Amino acid sequence: DADVTQTPRNRITKTGKRIMLECSQTKGHDRMYWYRQDPGLGLRLIYYSFDVKDINKGEISDGYSVSRQAQAKFSLSLESAIPNQTALYFCATSDLDRDTGEQYFGPGTRLTVT
Amino acid sequence: AQSVTQLGSHVSVSEGALVLLRCNYSSSVPPYLFWYVQYPNQGLQLLLKYTTGATLVKGINGFEAEFKKSETSFHLTKPSAHMSDAAEYFCAVSDVKAAGNKLTFGGGTRVLVKP
Repeated sequence: DADVTQTPRNRITKTGKRIMLECSQTKGHDRMYWYRQDPGLGLRLIYYSFDVKDINKGEISDGYSVSRQAQAKFSLSLESAIPNQTALYFCATSDLDRDTGEQYFGPGTRLTVT
Repeated sequence: AQSVTQLGSHVSVSEGALVLLRCNYSSSVPPYLFWYVQYPNQGLQLLLKYTTGATLVKGINGFEAEFKKSETSFHLTKPSAHMSDAAEYFCAVSDVKAAGNKLTFGGGTRVLVKP
């Protein structure tokens, strides 16, 4: 089984709808991250969390919110989706104790907003 | 603030030829540097990383990269391309001394391998 899972893998939604992307991990890591990937722009950080009580904005947090329900679960919400939020979204984790900077990525969620 | 520049959004190589992907970074502190690979419809997988010590780093699948501080570069190479190397490659820098262990990514380089 994969260490970092994301659901759904694909989603098409309409402008104005609320949508939640979910991430779960079995790696036991404290830190979790949400990124979006756009062609030519690489991955950009949306939010990150050090633990359940510590949530931080990344470089492109406008229009997004997150919830860290447990150490293993980190959800990303789009309160009112817009077409320019169409992208590939990745969840990632890292280990506070080892702290080498390496992150472990989920398979991604492809979101299309029409 | 950190930044990463990958020269060339697309690279085409012949099978058996050298693969060279360029990455330059800027960082106000000694960086940790990474190369990740993304195969179609998959997440990112770590190829190799530089943290401290030896500046020539060997990774999986025959790839290696050399950290050159004077050039602020971390170019990725593989002596002989294989068809299975067709993927998108991302260079990333991390400032682990700052809060968050955050990665800053380059724009990515898509590699096409021709038979």
